[in-house]
Amino acid sequence: DTAVSQTPKYLVTQMGNDKSIKCEQNLGHDTMYWYKQDSKKFLKIMFSYNNKELIINETVPNRFSPKSPDKAHLNLHINSLELGDSAVYFCASSLMGLAGSDTQYFGPGTRLTVL
Amino acid sequence: SQQGEEDPQALSIQEGENATMNCSYKTSINNLQWYRQNSGRGLVHLILIRSNEREKHSGRLRVTLDTSKKSSSLLITASRAADTASYFCATDSQGGSEKLVFGKGTKLTVNP
Repeated sequence: DTAVSQTPKYLVTQMGNDKSIKCEQNLGHDTMYWYKQDSKKFLKIMFSYNNKELIINETVPNRFSPKSPDKAHLNLHINSLELGDSAVYFCASSLMGLAGSDTQYFGPGTRLTVL
Repeated sequence: SQQGEEDPQALSIQEGENATMNCSYKTSINNLQWYRQNSGRGLVHLILIRSNEREKHSGRLRVTLDTSKKSSSLLITASRAADTASYFCATDSQGGSEKLVFGKGTKLTVNP
């Protein structure tokens, strides 16, 4: 009964490739997020969607494109992968759109390694 | 810019001892949250404290907030080996609560 699930858990790929990470939540939440955690454990928001609408789009290269087909799913597509994209990517969800006052539920993470 | 900054970066204690982690932030906030991350796992929410609250308890956790000093502390009492994890504070800002900004975390090791 996983609340927030991500696939794949591990992703190893070559520079220049295009890859996608999928996220699904079964909590009935309205808002979903993508975070990037670097090798020093620093966790940074990338995007958030509320009911399929983009709310937050941090300063992220436009090689990263989120897509929300419905409010239970938020996928992340990355074009032309670079070495610096290597990180752990976390999906999260919260009941409403106010992340600051809402509990966020995190997925298990996708460890992306770009060679 | 990074909002929350935890210290110490790493803390190693014996089982049964108390662990205190601190978080400082830069701008005024509405809420501050603490999360735990076990190695190789996602973050788990521990506690939320609002800017008009000074202290909050949840089981063995005690969180304090001092908005005048822009700081918070997380105290874990009677620690257990299972408390070994990284602990992060996260803040929103008074200007809007649409996003959380996380600190770099404190890595806590509880030795049996």
